This record gives sequence, structure tokens and C-alpha cells, in this order.
Amino acid sequence: ETGVTQTPRHLVMGMTNKKSLKCEQHLGHNAMYWYKQSAKKPLELMFVYSLEERVENNSVPSRFSPECPNSSHLFLHLHTLQPEDSALYLCASSQEGVLASSYNEQFFGPGTRLTVL
Amino acid sequence: RKEVEQDPGPFNVPEGATVAFNCTYSNSASQSFFWYRQDCRKEPKLLMSVYSSGNEDGRFTAQLNRASQYISLLIRDSKLSDSATYLCVVTHLASGGSYIPTFGRGTSLIVHP
Repeated sequence: ETGVTQTPRHLVMGMTNKKSLKCEQHLGHNAMYWYKQSAKKPLELMFVYSLEERVENNSVPSRFSPECPNSSHLFLHLHTLQPEDSALYLCASSQEGVLASSYNEQFFGPGTRLTVL
Repeated sequence: RKEVEQDPGPFNVPEGATVAFNCTYSNSASQSFFWYRQDCRKEPKLLMSVYSSGNEDGRFTAQLNRASQYISLLIRDSKLSDSATYLCVVTHLASGGSYIPTFGRGTSLIVHP
């Protein structure tokens, strides 16, 4: 048990569907992240939320829409996806401090394996 | 040039061998450095942080060379259970004060009997 849960674990959707991925962290962390992991490619950081404010958006297409209602929950809303969006979507959380040296490890959820038909 | 580069491998070694991985990064302002381990179809998990003075944790030794912008991971006395993908992670400080991690593509290690 990593303290970070993700639902659903598997999702198959058509290109016209709308779905949402959910992430919940039980670790009391103040930062949460969405990553995309495709075969043979490094983890791609999609979104970073720190203290519930989005601080990084790595030029992700608008068909991916994040939402962070509080420090424990993170959503990724999906609409009109493309087959190339099929991947493992990982959520992570960490505790950010105020000092430059206080970056802490990220704890990952098990991921949602998404297939877009 | 990729921000964080790793040799994807696979490194195929016998049990008991010593194996070393390197990782280079392009951002000279990088703040923190880590090695994560990812097993097949599982999420990444922290293996160890990498400190400027180098650090050791059992059979694992990590080194940082800021001048040459690379980090290394040495695994001694390899076990079958060490078979996994090892991810190099480098963070930089964004303008808003948050840390932004960048992952390498990972190095695959296969330890065989």
C-alpha cells in the first residue's frame, strides 16, 4: 500500500467518450502530479499541483483537463481522446518544503491503464 | 538534446555481478537527484536519493558529479530480485518555487542465475 490510490485501474474508451481518472493520496502531502507513461518512452510529466494550485502544464493537449479540488484529490478529465493517448497514467504525490534542499520523494499510485479505441 | 539521458539497456548480468548505470542531465541548475526502481507493470518507487558527497545503502551506491552533470548507480552482488528498470530523476526549481521532476527513460536490468 503506497498511500496513493487511483481509479479505475483499467479503462477502455472510444474517441467520443468523456471519462475521468481519479487519484487520492492519504499521506498528507501538498503536491500532486499526473504523468503519462507510454511504451519505450520516459515518464512524461503532464500536470503539477502544489497547494492545490496548478504550477506546471507541460503543453498538454486541451483534451486532458486536470482538477484538484483539495490537497488529497486529483482528477484528470478526458474527452475526445485519440488512440495515441493510450498509455499508463500515473498519479504521484510529494511533500514540498520551503527550503531548496527539502524536495522529497514522490509516491506513485498504481496507475490507470487507458486504451482509446 | 534530451534533458535526462540513460542507456536503456538491457543490462544482462549473472547473479553476484557488479553493475553500474549512468545518467546525464542537461540542466546545470538541477537541484535534486534520485534513482527510482520500476518493476514490470508496476509504479515507480524510490530506490535512493543522490547526495553531492555520494551515498550508499547496502549493496547500492549512488554518486553525483555536478561538474560533468551525471549521476551513477552501482549495484554490487546482484540478486535475481534486482531485475527491474532503474529510472534516473532530476528536479529543477520552477519560477513559482515548486520542484519539477524530469525522468529518464530508464535502464533495464536483467539478473540471471
